[in-house]
Amino acid sequence: GAVVSQHPSRVICKSGTSVKIECRSLDFQATTMFWYRQFPKKSLMLMATSNEGSKATYEQGVEKDKFLINHASLTLSTLTVTSAHPEDSSFYICSALRLALSYEQYFGPGTRLTVT
Amino acid sequence: TQLLEQSPQFLSIQEGENLTVYCNSSSVFSSLQWYRQEPGEGPVLLVTVVTGGEVKKLKRLTFQFGDARKDSSLHITAAQPGDTGLYLCAGYRYTDKLIFGTGTRLQVFP
Repeated sequence: GAVVSQHPSRVICKSGTSVKIECRSLDFQATTMFWYRQFPKKSLMLMATSNEGSKATYEQGVEKDKFLINHASLTLSTLTVTSAHPEDSSFYICSALRLALSYEQYFGPGTRLTVT
Repeated sequence: TQLLEQSPQFLSIQEGENLTVYCNSSSVFSSLQWYRQEPGEGPVLLVTVVTGGEVKKLKRLTFQFGDARKDSSLHITAAQPGDTGLYLCAGYRYTDKLIFGTGTRLQVFP
């Protein structure tokens, strides 16, 4: 099966600093990747769609200057949380779209961000 | 409002019992998927259903897509503690964006 990795798996940072999360598709090329946020005991909420070589598309209510997304290659997308605040603490999950006979998204293991 | 509503939200049962989780919407989906997620991990795809009325079986799990492609159900027979987790339905509405349901948290006690 397709494998998607995320790094780091856990990160703790201080308020006001920035943190970068990487999402890699390890055995397939992904022109499209997605970033989700998940609050405790809740479902996944789509934040943005990351397209290789173009600007990301953000969902309503998601601050694009706060959550910077870069998709510079067919196997790597990064999410940078800028000037982090405690309310940004969450579980961030990426997925990579593998186009076959139907849309198949493969999810990364997630990154737990804690802002102190 | 959430486009995909799951019920129940929480389910706590004894090993060996049967259960059904529902995923409902007023909108039509081109396909629908079910995932299971364990704490601190990403969701893992269980099944994809595409055709209205389709039924798929995965060992003790039976998935059904409604005839009108607006709803789906997941039935687990003889639940085991290893089935414990967050079950999420998610669907595509003719785009590449996956819309997730509200989730059902299942706990199976030995």
